[in-house]
Amino acid sequence: SQTIHQWPATLVQPVGSPLSLECTVEGTSNPNLYWYRQAAGRGLQLLFYSVGIGQISSEVPQNLSASRPQDRQFILSSKKLLLSDSGFYLCAWSNGGEVDTQYFGPGTRLTVL
Amino acid sequence: AQSVTQLDSQVPVFEEAPVELRCNYSSSVSVYLFWYVQYPNQGLQLLLKYLSGSTLVKGINGFEAEFNKSQTSFHLRKPSVHISDTAEYFCAVKMKTSYDKVIFGPGTSLSVIP
Repeated sequence: SQTIHQWPATLVQPVGSPLSLECTVEGTSNPNLYWYRQAAGRGLQLLFYSVGIGQISSEVPQNLSASRPQDRQFILSSKKLLLSDSGFYLCAWSNGGEVDTQYFGPGTRLTVL
Repeated sequence: AQSVTQLDSQVPVFEEAPVELRCNYSSSVSVYLFWYVQYPNQGLQLLLKYLSGSTLVKGINGFEAEFNKSQTSFHLRKPSVHISDTAEYFCAVKMKTSYDKVIFGPGTSLSVIP
């Protein structure tokens, strides 16, 4: 069966510091991968998605970036964090295609101080 | 373009009472529909999905949803809620094409009162 991991689970970072969040998927190959953010009390905001290694699409221009160095690894990064980057970051995977059901990881709680 | 509306941002309900969480969508083509649940500080978990066929879909934890094409709705129901059902619920829609992405609604916070 497929599993999705995210780490770290929680992170507290000062403003201006760099960020690296990691997501890995097991039990499937060539998945579509997604990064979402949830601000406090808000819905899901799609940040990035990837249909293959090195292929990244950005949904919202901001100071975040994403990379996919391996088939089942998706990384969210920032060179300098802003207070507004605080939130709950969720990684998801899907098999693509017409139905494209998404399955989510446990999330990373980021607090920028 | 497709969109999803969840009119109720918060729904309080007493334990063992029935609940309905509303979801409406707009789309120019046929769609697939999903409900997800998110418990505090956790990721989203798929509750159920409608692909085709019977308009009544049964999911996990005793939830079910009914697809109504004429009203473009996909409301989630449970006949008797438990404290453990307290969570955020997200409706999502995807157009029946290979290139469109899943769109999530804003979520409904269900609070079960003992």
